[in-house]
Parts: sequence; C-alpha cells; structure tokens
Amino acid sequence: AQSVTQLGSHVSVSEGALVLLRCNYSSSVPPYLFWYVQYPNQGLQLLLKYTSAATLVKGINGFEAEFKKSETSFHLTKPSAHMSDAAEYFCAVSINTNAGKSTFGDGTTLTVKP
Amino acid sequence: NAGVTQTPKFQVLKTGQSMTLQCAQDMNHNSMYWYRQDPGMGLRLIYYSASEGTTDKGEVPNGYNVSRLNKREFSLRLESAAPSQTSVYFCASSDFLAGGSYNEQFFGPGTRLTVL
Repeated sequence: AQSVTQLGSHVSVSEGALVLLRCNYSSSVPPYLFWYVQYPNQGLQLLLKYTSAATLVKGINGFEAEFKKSETSFHLTKPSAHMSDAAEYFCAVSINTNAGKSTFGDGTTLTVKP
Repeated sequence: NAGVTQTPKFQVLKTGQSMTLQCAQDMNHNSMYWYRQDPGMGLRLIYYSASEGTTDKGEVPNGYNVSRLNKREFSLRLESAAPSQTSVYFCASSDFLAGGSYNEQFFGPGTRLTVL
C-alpha cells in the first residue's frame, strides 16, 4: 500500500518569499507523484506530476518539485510567492497496478502575506 | 469540452432521506472515482470504477452505493443520509497514458452536502 505525508497543515509566507511545501511518500513499487492545487470552492487541478522521467518536474504558475528517491520526498517549491498562490495544496501518490487510484495527503493551506 | 461535471452543486438533506449525486465526464476516460473531503482529512476515496461495468470499494464505502451507468456517467447514492455524511463530494476521472502509467485525475467542481 502507498501513503503520503504532508508536513505542515498550514504554511504562511510573505509575498516574494520562497514557497516550500513538503511531501514524503511511501510505496513498495515505483510511484507516480502529483501535486494538486485547490482554490476556495473549487475542485482540484493538477500543478505537476512525476512519472519516472526527469526527477525535477516543472509545473504551472512557476511551481516545481524534485523527486528524491533516497529521501522518499517530492517537495513543492516556488522561488517567489504571489498573492494568487494562496490555496490548499495536495500531494498524491499512485502506482501502476491500482486502477489509477491515488492516495492523497491531508493537504497544506498556503497563506501569502502582503 | 466540459471535463467533469457534477450535479447538484449544493444539497441539504434531513437525516434518513436519500439522494443521488450525478457525475459525467466527456474525456472518454475509463476510470472514475468518488471522494469525500472533510476539513483536515484530505480526500478519502469512497468508491471507484476502473472501467465500464466494474465498481469497487474505496477507503470509506459504508453508507454509499454507486452505479457506473455507462462510460461517461458514475453516480453516488446515499440511501439513508446521516449527519456524518455532511461533506464535500468530488468526482474524478483518469485514464492510462501510452506506456501503461496512469495520468493525473481530473476533478469536478464538487457537491456540498449538508445532512441535518
């Protein structure tokens, strides 16, 4: 079985500061990893995904994440936060033999201060 | 191309009432999923359907039933609603990429359900 742990349910940064949202995963087989963003009263939408190609993955809105197998991590970063980045972020893990089911972390709410 | 649509957007039920949440996708995806989202608990899988004609239980199936009506539609039914089922419900769909890996899931806008 696979699992995901997101460290920190709330993260607050100043506008222009580095954003770092942490995600650690557990999987007995090579995983597929995803970061999703959820704006208030909306569904989730994909930010970026790792599917065993490049370990550094670039996504939309300037976000990127690096897959580190030795650390079982897939942390999400953005060099400079913008007010519009305020949202809830979910890390998810999937494996190839599981009908596409993903296991989601509990989410991290990002607040951006002016 | 509407993606994943869900109806209704909001619903208030009394304890013991029944209702069906509807979901449809127009991306020709094989797999569909129902989740519930509660504060601080992320998304929990209720039921999923790997392909038309199949359904399986997820993490929290008690109190729910599903129907994969055809490839496009996947409905979730609450037979006798309870206050513990107050939640936001999301439908999602996904499919295989070439080479065998699954693509990401595409989500609907959600149904906000309150059970009094």
